[in-house]
Amino acid sequence: GENVEQHPSTLSVQEGDSAVIKCTYSDSASNYFPWYKQELGKRPQLIIDIRSNVGEKKDQRIAVTLNKTAKHFSLHITETQPEDSAVYFCAASMVTGGSYIPTFGRGTSLIVHP
Amino acid sequence: EAGVAQSPRYKIIEKRQSVAFWCNPISGHATLYWYQQILGQGPKLLIQFQNNGVVDDSQLPKDRFSAERLKGVDSTLKIQPAKLEDSAVYLCASSPRGANTEAFFGQGTRLTVV
Repeated sequence: GENVEQHPSTLSVQEGDSAVIKCTYSDSASNYFPWYKQELGKRPQLIIDIRSNVGEKKDQRIAVTLNKTAKHFSLHITETQPEDSAVYFCAASMVTGGSYIPTFGRGTSLIVHP
Repeated sequence: EAGVAQSPRYKIIEKRQSVAFWCNPISGHATLYWYQQILGQGPKLLIQFQNNGVVDDSQLPKDRFSAERLKGVDSTLKIQPAKLEDSAVYLCASSPRGANTEAFFGQGTRLTVV
């Protein structure tokens, strides 16, 4: 099955700095890579996703890059704000028997200091 | 649009007792997931349904965990008997059929086994 590694486990930045979270995956058949944000005590919510036919995607201060050859993808947050503080999870989704099986990384706790 | 509904929100039981969780996915979503999220870790897939059929249950501890999705809508996850290490948040998620898209999560059930 798929294996997703996520680094770092904790990331502390000053407000206004950039933050980068990196993930690697093992199965070259994976073709969908969502990123979720989970605030304390709340449900994970999608913030951005990328598919394997795209190398980069941007949405305001958030961007995701994908390198299929190296099997890694990254989340970039620019001009960080205190409300960006949360746990971020990457996931890789592969097709099995016609259905999509998402596997999550262990998460990165992002702390943005005012 | 109504989201994924889960109940109860919290449950405390003693080890060796039984417990059941309920999930109602977003209307029309054919795919339903049950995830276990242990504190400080990413969601771990327990079982995935496509309508009322099981797509993947390779990480479900079948000696104590069971799940069903009768009629392809609501689902229940049961633990019998519970162990201390089952303490976690149990997240239900759903997504549309045949689409490699985001999973929409419910609020989760926080289980504490004492």
